[in-house]
Amino acid sequence: GAGVSQSPSNKVTEKGKDVELRCDPISGHTALYWYRQSLGQGLEFLIYFQGNSAPDKSGLPSDRFSAERTGGSVSTLTIQRTQQEDSAVYLCASSLVGAGIQYFGAGTRLSVL
Amino acid sequence: AQKITQTQPGMFVQEKEAVTLDCTYDTSDQSYGLFWYKQPSSGEMIFLIYQGSYDEQNATEGRYSLNFQKARKSANLVISASQLGDSAMYFCAIPRNYGQNFVFGPGTRLSVLP
Repeated sequence: GAGVSQSPSNKVTEKGKDVELRCDPISGHTALYWYRQSLGQGLEFLIYFQGNSAPDKSGLPSDRFSAERTGGSVSTLTIQRTQQEDSAVYLCASSLVGAGIQYFGAGTRLSVL
Repeated sequence: AQKITQTQPGMFVQEKEAVTLDCTYDTSDQSYGLFWYKQPSSGEMIFLIYQGSYDEQNATEGRYSLNFQKARKSANLVISASQLGDSAMYFCAIPRNYGQNFVFGPGTRLSVLP
């Protein structure tokens, strides 16, 4: 497709389990961002990938969170030992270049029981 | 450090009227861009309009325009001829560290009344 694709759209998991969230950016976009949005809140930056540069991980809330981007395209956000406070919508965005217009996916709604 | 302030948590506007959503920002960068996004109840973030700090003209995109006042560090979004489909959350954003990450404001919830 032409847009940013995220999967799954919804994920329900039990506390303590690991989850993986996937993001397929727009083809040719060098920059990829992950954000977290809690209910009724704004966007919280998590991590940023730009080309082959080292990712900016400054927004990751704890060492339970990690992300990778393979081949400069698909990205996976992994949350280990999930906690109830991890429940949120996780949004992925890509842009042609850093600081450019970001195009967002529909998000993954994570619910930790 | 970059910061975005949106002072209106909620706004109401009558259909077909114009509405202004406020955004003020703080940045130490000499050159920067300002972005507005719309988030309807479906949850997807939709890019609306962009303003470069050195652009001489205020940005316009259809019914959307920016009232950009660089000296006051404000970039207010103006929506003309409001439609019911404009009901959504609206976020102002600015890149930080040359786009390594973005700062988003807390958002304004706009409700368009029939």
